[in-house]
Amino acid sequence: DAGITQSPRHKVTETGTPVTLRCHQTENHRYMYWYRQDPGHGLRLIHYSYGVKDTDKGEVSDGYSVSRSKTEDFLLTLESATSSQTSVYFCAISQTPTNYGYTFGSGTRLTVV
Amino acid sequence: DQQVKQNSPSLSVQEGRISILNCDYTNSMFDYFLWYKKYPAEGPTFLISISSIKDKNEDGRFTVFLNKSAKHLSLHIVPSQPGDSAVYFCAAGGTSYGKLTFGQGTILTVHP
Repeated sequence: DAGITQSPRHKVTETGTPVTLRCHQTENHRYMYWYRQDPGHGLRLIHYSYGVKDTDKGEVSDGYSVSRSKTEDFLLTLESATSSQTSVYFCAISQTPTNYGYTFGSGTRLTVV
Repeated sequence: DQQVKQNSPSLSVQEGRISILNCDYTNSMFDYFLWYKKYPAEGPTFLISISSIKDKNEDGRFTVFLNKSAKHLSLHIVPSQPGDSAVYFCAAGGTSYGKLTFGQGTILTVHP
């Protein structure tokens, strides 16, 4: 289902370069989240948004920034990519803060070489 | 500090038998718990949830049990099917802005 899409699906980038991942939703949900998945760590929250231009840090936000200029798009930027940021990145959306049944995107596999 | 822990990285069961996946948490502020299922190359999908005011929630073959005094929850799958083979994440919410804290995941393999 196309309620949430992430782009690109795969990316290889060089250390030190900036990278932007995009999350696009068609559900008009207020809450959006960026998580990263790593072996042994599960899913960890990077940043989240509770409205247009309203964002805040999660538990692993160092080296990342986000922007949300309109409801449907939530961008995650790696300011200067490092090998430790090699991971699978998932975007999720939620309609209300008490609705934890997130809808996740299919993920972006990022490799920093 | 891992607030939600799944101590078993993997679990292997025979088709038709019960699968029991376990999860422990430390933050007593959590008041809602969920299980997500993830297939390779896909995003996690919501499976079942339980509020902290309950101790059991059932949905078809899936049952989640919550033991608040032990800060422990478990997911029971009966009977297990090969299509249940996936990574299962437990998650906890209730802090703010709908944020979820996830465990490390357990790889479930159901053998035919």
